[in-house]
Amino acid sequence: SQTIHQWPATLVQPVGSPLSLECTVEGTSNPNLYWYRQAAGRGLQLLFYSVGIGQISSEVPQNLSASRPQDRQFILSSKKLLLSDSGFYLCAWRGDTFMNTEAFFGQGTRLTVV
Amino acid sequence: GDSVTQMEGPVTLSEEAFLTINCTYTATGYPSLFWYVQYPGEGLQLLLKATKADDKGSNKGFEATYRKETTSFHLEKGSVQVSDSAVYFCALSDAQGGSEKLVFGKGTKLTVNP
Repeated sequence: SQTIHQWPATLVQPVGSPLSLECTVEGTSNPNLYWYRQAAGRGLQLLFYSVGIGQISSEVPQNLSASRPQDRQFILSSKKLLLSDSGFYLCAWRGDTFMNTEAFFGQGTRLTVV
Repeated sequence: GDSVTQMEGPVTLSEEAFLTINCTYTATGYPSLFWYVQYPGEGLQLLLKATKADDKGSNKGFEATYRKETTSFHLEKGSVQVSDSAVYFCALSDAQGGSEKLVFGKGTKLTVNP
């Protein structure tokens, strides 16, 4: 069966420090991968998605970047965190999007920038 | 573009009350529709889905019917429990409309009191 792992679960980082959040998927190949952010008490904001290795689409201009160095690995990064980067970050994967399949989510990373 | 509109929360009910959370959508193709649930501090879990008009998705006592004529996918449960307290998201996938993305509503927070 397929599983998605996301770490760390919680993170407290000072303003101006770098960030690296990692997400890996097991049990499937060539997944579509997504990074979402959820601000406190608000909905989901799609940050990045990837349909293949090295292919990244950015949804909103911001202080973050994403990379996909391997088929089942998706990394969210920042060189210098801002207070506004605080939030709950969720990684998700989907199979064949032409079949309108559902997405499966990781457990999330709670990031607090102080 | 595609969009999902769901009722603003929060919704507060007593145990065993009837639940309805409204969801309407706009899409250019023939979308699949989903309801996700997010328990506090966790990622999203798929609750139910429907892939074509008049399909009824159901799970854990929750139901939703894909109504193409009213472009709706309302979530219902006949008797809620305290354990149903969570945030509920309506979403669609519209690959035929040319998108690899899931489109989410803003979420509805449900609190069930004993």
